[in-house]
Order: sequence, then C-alpha cells, then structure tokens
Amino acid sequence: GQSLEQPSEVTAVEGAIVQINCTYQTSGFYGLSWYQQHDGGAPTFLSYNALDGLEETGRFSSFLSRSDSYGYLLLQELQMKDSASYFCAVNTDKLIFGTGTRLQVFP
Amino acid sequence: KAGVTQTPRYLIKTRGQQVTLSCSPISGHRSVSWYQQTPGQGLQFLFEYFSETQRNKGNFPGRFSGRQFSNSRSEMNVSTLELGDSALYLCASAPPAGNNEQFFGPGTRLTVL
Repeated sequence: GQSLEQPSEVTAVEGAIVQINCTYQTSGFYGLSWYQQHDGGAPTFLSYNALDGLEETGRFSSFLSRSDSYGYLLLQELQMKDSASYFCAVNTDKLIFGTGTRLQVFP
Repeated sequence: KAGVTQTPRYLIKTRGQQVTLSCSPISGHRSVSWYQQTPGQGLQFLFEYFSETQRNKGNFPGRFSGRQFSNSRSEMNVSTLELGDSALYLCASAPPAGNNEQFFGPGTRLTVL
C-alpha cells in the first residue's frame, strides 16, 4: 500500500519559518506535490518536486529525497493568511494525499 | 478563465437514497478526478476520467460511479447512500500537458441523515 504521514498540527508566529514534513511509503511515483487548503475552501496547488532537491516558489520551498522517502514544505516569513491545512501528495497514476497538517499562525 | 465549478454546493439526503453530483472543468481541461474528503480518512481518490473514459479508480465500493461527457463535464453518482458517505466531494481538472497541477473545485458538501 501507499501511505504518507504528516504531523497533524504545527503552530508558529508571524514572520517565522516553519517546516512541514512528509514521510511516505510507496512503491513508485513520479513526484511529490504540495497543496494548501483554507477552511471551507478548495485545495490549491503549491509546488511539485519531480527530482530530489529543493524547489523554491516565493516564500514557499519544497524538498524531496527519494532515498530517505521524505519531503518537506518550508514556509518563510509567515503571514496570518498562511493559516490553513497543507497536504503532501504523491503523483502516481493518481494523486495520493497525505494525512494533512493544520498550520496555525499567531500574531 | 473560469475555474472548476461544482453543483450543488450543499446537499442533504437520507440513507438509501441516491445522489448525482456535477463538475464542470476549466475550459480545455480533459481530465477530471473526483475525491472524497472526510475528517477521519482525509482526501481519498475516487476516480479519474479522461476523454469520456475512466482512466483510474480508487478503492471505493461499486455504489460510487461516474461518467464524463463529450464536453468534459463529469458527474458522479452514489447509490444506496450510507451515513458514512457524508463528506465533501471535490473534483479537480488538469490540462492535457500540465505540470502535474490539479485545479480543484469548491466541492459539494453531502450530508446523509
């Protein structure tokens, strides 16, 4: 089977940096994606790692290490609007989502 | 460009009934995927349609079915509803040659009483 584990909740203050980890057990996949979902909203795409290493998109960066079965999303200069749930997902012939991490940003 | 739209946004049904949910993808997107989101199970893949054909299927019972029309609009149907089917049903579309990004609709909140 395929499973992706994430911490259930992370808290941080405005302006800080937070890292959301994703560990997975899967037999094979094309890449690792990250999605953000605000309460009551739809998931929105943040980033995709096809290869090992770091991908940077503005304040957000994502990392993948296939040898360690591990990835993370790094959020810098946190803002209140970053309070949301974050999901990692492996891209196979379908998207398999992780358990999700609820990020709360405090002033 | 208009985003993915889903109708209805909210639905209340009783056990044993059936329900049909609709999804209109972004213009030009031919792939439509459906997901079920619940607090306990998270986001789970139901199925994907591409050019009117089911391309992939998740681990859901046969009560869950779907179809796609020639204009790429998709419907999913759940028959003989159970209390456990209460969930947010999300559809997502993807362009033919994208960067693996899926574009999600706002979802249909189904409550089964």
